[in-house]
Amino acid sequence: KQEVTQIPAALSVPEGENLVLNCSFTDSAIYNLQWFRQDPGKGLTSLLLIQSSQREQTSGRLNASLDKSSGRSTLYIAASQPGDSATYLCAVRPHGDQGGSEKLVFGKGTKLTVNP
Amino acid sequence: KAGVTQTPRYLIKTRGQQVTLSCSPISGHRSVSWYQQTPGQGLQFLFEYFSETQRNKGNFPGRFSGRQFSNSRSEMNVSTLELGDSALYLCASSLPKTANTGELFFGEGSRLTVL
Repeated sequence: KQEVTQIPAALSVPEGENLVLNCSFTDSAIYNLQWFRQDPGKGLTSLLLIQSSQREQTSGRLNASLDKSSGRSTLYIAASQPGDSATYLCAVRPHGDQGGSEKLVFGKGTKLTVNP
Repeated sequence: KAGVTQTPRYLIKTRGQQVTLSCSPISGHRSVSWYQQTPGQGLQFLFEYFSETQRNKGNFPGRFSGRQFSNSRSEMNVSTLELGDSALYLCASSLPKTANTGELFFGEGSRLTVL
């Protein structure tokens, strides 16, 4: 059974700092890995999607890496801003599920606070 | 283009009642999946639909059910509500996995409170 863990559960940093959020998964048989952002009381916003054959993806100040063999992904946020404060969720799509399944397995998230 | 639309956004029910939540996917998306989010359990997969057929189901009791219509809109129903059903219910849509990258797009959710 695939399990996803995110450490730390909460992180507080001063504005301008570069930071790394960690995600680990127990089964390397994944189709892809997706990072999301969730603001309080809101839905999920997709940040980055990494296919199982890729090593990293970049979007603006965000960079996500994937090491499938070790079951790890990191989300790097450069020059953090107060507007980056949110919960960041990592999710994997298991490869072995029924054909075409869209099921995601989520970690419990890292709550990030960027202080002005 | 419009994103995933969920209605209602907020609702309050009492134990024993039933509730129906609606999800309209992004235009052109044919896969719809549902998730329950609670503070204790996090995000858990409920079920997914493609072309009006349930393709996968999570580990939830039979009180949780869903369906998808020919226009890809989906509804989920929870019968005989329990206090523990209080949660944020999220809907996601995507193109079929074989047709694209497999990226899921989520709606804003329906916040259900059971009293």
